[in-house]
Amino acid sequence: DSGVTQTPKHLITATGQRVTLRCSPRSGDLSVYWYQQSLDQGLQFLIQYYNGEERAKGNILERFSAQQFPDLHSELNLSSLELGDSALYFCASSVYGGLETQYFGPGTRLLVL
Amino acid sequence: TQLLEQSPQFLSIQEGENLTVYCNSSSVFSSLQWYRQEPGEGPVLLVTVVTGGEVKKLKRLTFQFGDARKDSSLHITAAQPGDTGLYLCAGARDGNKLVFGAGTILRVKS
Repeated sequence: DSGVTQTPKHLITATGQRVTLRCSPRSGDLSVYWYQQSLDQGLQFLIQYYNGEERAKGNILERFSAQQFPDLHSELNLSSLELGDSALYFCASSVYGGLETQYFGPGTRLLVL
Repeated sequence: TQLLEQSPQFLSIQEGENLTVYCNSSSVFSSLQWYRQEPGEGPVLLVTVVTGGEVKKLKRLTFQFGDARKDSSLHITAAQPGDTGLYLCAGARDGNKLVFGAGTILRVKS
């Protein structure tokens, strides 16, 4: 158990819909990262927040957005969903958001039908 | 095209055998990490290598970072069924953005 929690564990929805994935970092960690893992693209960095502020952006689509709240939990919003958005979405956290260890949550498996 | 190329993509071996997984790139990374991921779980960090030529050992696992900091290898001695999983290498760029390889699926049969 990494100490990072993600909800829901599984999500099935239809194309065109919008979903919200939630992540609670480890106690004391200020930085949250979001990743997408699919069979064809592998594990890809989407976005990072540190203490409520966006710190780094990766391959995140414009249809996707994220935020980190004052209590440090984070949400990833996926809208206008397409079949290709089906993937595992991981949240990770670290203390300061530098090169220290990132602890990954168990992931949310999203299936878009 | 993957920035980090991992090979082999899949490895099935008998318990007690040795194996090496490679992670290669044409880019230089400030550091390189190795993760292991089991089904239904997130990746777990095994090691971070920072210095070119660095070698780190973790029990039966030996990690090496290339002199030019563009490649790395993971060697497992006397593999055990508990080593089964997906092994991912990840390079750090632009500060702390991680770029992951496609992974090597390792299956160790008893």
